[in-house]
Amino acid sequence: EADIYQTPRYLVIGTGKKITLECSQTMGHDKMYWYQQDPGMELHLIHYSYGVNSTEKGDLSSESTVSRIRTEHFPLTLESARPSHTSQYLCASKASIGAGGGDEQYFGPGTRLTVT
Amino acid sequence: QKEVEQNSGPLSVPEGAIASLNCTYSDRGSQSFFWYRQYSGKSPELIMFIYSNGDKEDGRFTAQLNKASQYVSLLIRDSQPSDSATYLCAVNMFRTGNQFYFGTGTSLTVIP
Repeated sequence: EADIYQTPRYLVIGTGKKITLECSQTMGHDKMYWYQQDPGMELHLIHYSYGVNSTEKGDLSSESTVSRIRTEHFPLTLESARPSHTSQYLCASKASIGAGGGDEQYFGPGTRLTVT
Repeated sequence: QKEVEQNSGPLSVPEGAIASLNCTYSDRGSQSFFWYRQYSGKSPELIMFIYSNGDKEDGRFTAQLNKASQYVSLLIRDSQPSDSATYLCAVNMFRTGNQFYFGTGTSLTVIP
């Protein structure tokens, strides 16, 4: 089981503010992901990274950016929060196949964001 | 057509019964398949993964994979009220560079 942490767990913020959601994992996993999930809905991939200095956009454009300067850290930044960004944000990680792990992703506890 | 589709719920079964959850996927080249359990307000928790055709058993859970039919299922034997949750099927899509795609989930309620 992976140890993956997200902060803050809950955030209420006003429109137009810049926010950064933190995600860290202690398993040395190469691959990390950010998903957005509305209640009762499917997960949508926002961004992913296959290693340090590697980031890609997923299917859902959420006007956010990510960085991967260290293997264990994958923060998500919203430059200007809007009410439409209200959602749950889930961070996940997985090892590369053959690097001592399987192909499964492990999730952090999530950040529930409300933009007023 | 969605990449991963799950049988629509909600699904209700009595305690002690077998719950059957189904999932189909679009990419015939996919190699890795996963079942996650998600309690309301919580993050998904991995409960099973399967890579080869056939059955894989882990305690009360059995995952079944049929790549020819592009079908994966999860059976929960001796269902317990604590199994009540939404179950997500996930597929690592080969053609999209190994991105994971998730189904919308099937809500399961186990009635005591």
